[in-house]
Amino acid sequence: GIQVEQSPPDLILQEGANSTLRCNFSDSVNNLQWFHQNPWGQLINLFYIPSGTKQNGRLSATTVATERYSLLYISSSQTTDSGVYFCAVGPWVAGGSYIPTFGRGTSLIVHP
Amino acid sequence: EAGVTQSPTHLIKTRGQQATLRCSPISGHTSVYWYQQALGLGLQFLLWYDEGEERNRGNFPPRFSGRQFPNYSSELNVNALELEDSALYLCASSLGQGAIYTFGSGTRLTVV
Repeated sequence: GIQVEQSPPDLILQEGANSTLRCNFSDSVNNLQWFHQNPWGQLINLFYIPSGTKQNGRLSATTVATERYSLLYISSSQTTDSGVYFCAVGPWVAGGSYIPTFGRGTSLIVHP
Repeated sequence: EAGVTQSPTHLIKTRGQQATLRCSPISGHTSVYWYQQALGLGLQFLLWYDEGEERNRGNFPPRFSGRQFPNYSSELNVNALELEDSALYLCASSLGQGAIYTFGSGTRLTVV
């Protein structure tokens, strides 16, 4: 099956710093999502971005599908950005849906 | 709009017992997915239900089973509980023809 690698596995920042998280995947995909899992376990959808660039406030993401990677940018980080960031990818399957394969995540800690 | 709701929030069971976890998808979503997240690990795909049918299952033993009801809600049953079944169980829903997953807050199952 498809392999998803995220880097770095751990990241510690001071509040206000910028960071870039990377997701590499081993095969062509039609779907890619970035999620943030807060310390209580809730997974929040950040971006659905199978290709191109999107921005939402201090967060932005870029996927280069032909080169099989995606980047998540966090600018001016805040303590509330702490948690684990997951990349999930997958092809379309029968029925018009897809079953994402998740990477192991990047654990981010932002210190005040 | 109500999100994906899961119950119970926490569940403690004894080894060998059965556990039942429940999930209500977002209104209009026909697909429900179950994932297991063991402590410190990524998300492992368990089951996918759509239109009342099991469409796919991950690499888990048959004692993990479930069903989807006519109102698209779903339950996950875990029989003959083992200690290693202790994990956060996450449910997600999406439109049958859509790609964006929305997750619930999870059920934390502890097997003692």
